[in-house]
Amino acid sequence: EAGVTQSPTHLIKTRGQQATLRCSPISGHTSVYWYQQALGLGLQFLLWYDEGEERNRGNFPPRFSGRQFPNYSSELNVNALELEDSALYLCASPLAFWVRGRSGTDTQYFGPGTRLTVL
Amino acid sequence: AQSVTQPDIHITVSEGASLELRCNYSYGATPYLFWYVQSPGQGLQLLLKYFSGDTLVQGIKGFEAEFKRSQSSFNLRKPSVHWSDAAEYFCAVGAAAGNKLTFGGGTRVLVKP
Repeated sequence: EAGVTQSPTHLIKTRGQQATLRCSPISGHTSVYWYQQALGLGLQFLLWYDEGEERNRGNFPPRFSGRQFPNYSSELNVNALELEDSALYLCASPLAFWVRGRSGTDTQYFGPGTRLTVL
Repeated sequence: AQSVTQPDIHITVSEGASLELRCNYSYGATPYLFWYVQSPGQGLQLLLKYFSGDTLVQGIKGFEAEFKRSQSSFNLRKPSVHWSDAAEYFCAVGAAAGNKLTFGGGTRVLVKP
């Protein structure tokens, strides 16, 4: 069974350009989470998509956006790139579970990441 | 709001020695706790998780962690480290119902021969 895949591995852009990052979750998983790992800022939650809808958003400006496709793959778009957007962008794919009639989220499995460099 | 603190930014340990990484969390309800490991330039690999039940959790690669509610801690341990354990380790807390993970700042482990 394939894990979480992300493309491209590396992406180099200049300030003001747009970047598009892609993620395919584990087969059968319907949710995708995006995280940013920037130097000095740690791992921060960006976006959560489930069943094609944006379910939650971290403390990031609107120029960070995305979507989820019918096959549950996802795109993260970053518009008007700034130098501080340089980071490793990680995608995660969780399983859902039911415990005592209550839904929850099981372990998030991470992809290898896309290293975005803004010059 | 949930938060996680990893007090040690760097730890250096000799190969064969024991290792303990500290993690303290803040969360209003019963937390879902995780430890992940990240090798340079790589994604995150799950080491172990705690949802409920036995407070001593066994994970992969010989790691274990103990949940202590009274201390709001979830420390990671390994009895004897190998050179391949050199990496960065992240503690994370998650809420139920599909919420995001909140990560600690990470602890970088260096292993001396």
